[in-house]
Amino acid sequence: AQSVTQPDIHITVSEGASLELRCNYSYGATPYLFWYVQSPGQGLQLLLKYFSGDTLVQGIKGFEAEFKRSQSSFNLRKPSVHWSDAAEYFCAVGDNFNKFYFGSGTKLNVKP
Amino acid sequence: DVKVTQSSRYLVKRTGEKVFLECVQDMDHENMFWYRQDPGLGLRLIYFSYDVKMKEKGDIPEGYSVSREKKERFSLILESASTNQTSMYLCASSVTSAAGELFFGEGSRLTVL
Repeated sequence: AQSVTQPDIHITVSEGASLELRCNYSYGATPYLFWYVQSPGQGLQLLLKYFSGDTLVQGIKGFEAEFKRSQSSFNLRKPSVHWSDAAEYFCAVGDNFNKFYFGSGTKLNVKP
Repeated sequence: DVKVTQSSRYLVKRTGEKVFLECVQDMDHENMFWYRQDPGLGLRLIYFSYDVKMKEKGDIPEGYSVSREKKERFSLILESASTNQTSMYLCASSVTSAAGELFFGEGSRLTVL
């Protein structure tokens, strides 16, 4: 069965520091992978997605993610975090039938 | 820009009441979804619809029903609300294509007393 694991529930980083959020998935075929961000009280906004081609994907707000098939991972990175990046981040996998499976989320706190 | 609008941001209902959550999208998307979001559990799919009058159960359909009479509108119905249905409800839509992403509304926070 398809599943997504985000092993870190909470992460705190200092402003200006680098960030990596982990995501592992379980899916039998080539996955479509997504990262979403949710600000408090808001819906989810797409940061980036992978569906084929280059395994390093660039997204909005300076985020990138790397697809590693051998590790079943799709980790999200940002070289320098801003205070406005504090939010909850969700990794998701989509299948060929337009169904999506979400991880449980990682809450990011940013220290001044 | 795609816009998914959920009619109510905050609702407070009593146990046993019938609750309607409405969602409208303006980009002619074929697929529409209702998710429930609870802390530590991420998003769980309640129902989805890939066409007018079509619906399929998601992972947690018990206690919910849906209606899609028009392509742009997808309603979630709680026939008899219970306290364990207190949650954030998120509506989303997507096109039917490989890697078509979900577009979300801002959510409806329902409290059942």
